Amino acid sequence: NAGVTQTPKFQVLKTGQSMTLQCAQDMNHNSMYWYRQDPGMGLRLIYYSASEGTTDKGEVPNGYNVSRLNKREFSLRLESAAPSQTSVYFCASSPSDRGSYEQYFGPGTRLTVT
Amino acid sequence: GENVEQHPSTLSVQEGDSAVIKCTYSDSASNYFPWYKQELGKRPQLIIDIRSNVGEKKDQRIAVTLNKTAKHFSLHITETQPEDSAVYFCAASPHSGGYQKVTFGTGTKLQVIP
Repeated sequence: NAGVTQTPKFQVLKTGQSMTLQCAQDMNHNSMYWYRQDPGMGLRLIYYSASEGTTDKGEVPNGYNVSRLNKREFSLRLESAAPSQTSVYFCASSPSDRGSYEQYFGPGTRLTVT
Repeated sequence: GENVEQHPSTLSVQEGDSAVIKCTYSDSASNYFPWYKQELGKRPQLIIDIRSNVGEKKDQRIAVTLNKTAKHFSLHITETQPEDSAVYFCAASPHSGGYQKVTFGTGTKLQVIP
């Protein structure tokens, strides 16, 4: 099993450009999450998908959109990138059933917006 | 929403000493408290978790304690080793509807000095 995979690993954008971060999991997990990690601020939830077909806003959703394409894939889109979106982005998934709530993280995408 | 505070932000200990990291949470509905370890440049990984019906849980050199009345929980690492050096995140989550939305603390950078 590959676990949780993310593409790309690194990306540099100019202000105003758009891009989509891809995430996939092969563990048949129900829930998927997008976080951003900034120095001194921990992991902040951007959006999550409790199950296939549903998405909800997290703590910092402004400037982002998501798509739960199917049970495996959960993408994050930046429509018009801003320097404040420079961060490391982590996707995670969780079984969220049978009492199992551990979140499994992807390797992260380091995004720089200039 | 849930608010999780974590202290200290940095912690240095001599190899073999103990390390304690403390967290408080605000939402009395939270009932699941995981701890994640993130090594430099790596993804966060679950190291231990505790449910609200348990006051303490141990796994070899690590232990977590939970005081629901005071809304605080702690991570204890005994006989620290250099490989324990990492950033540790506490988190709190109200379990609802079969999935969990996790709120993370801001992290503690632990340095174990050989």
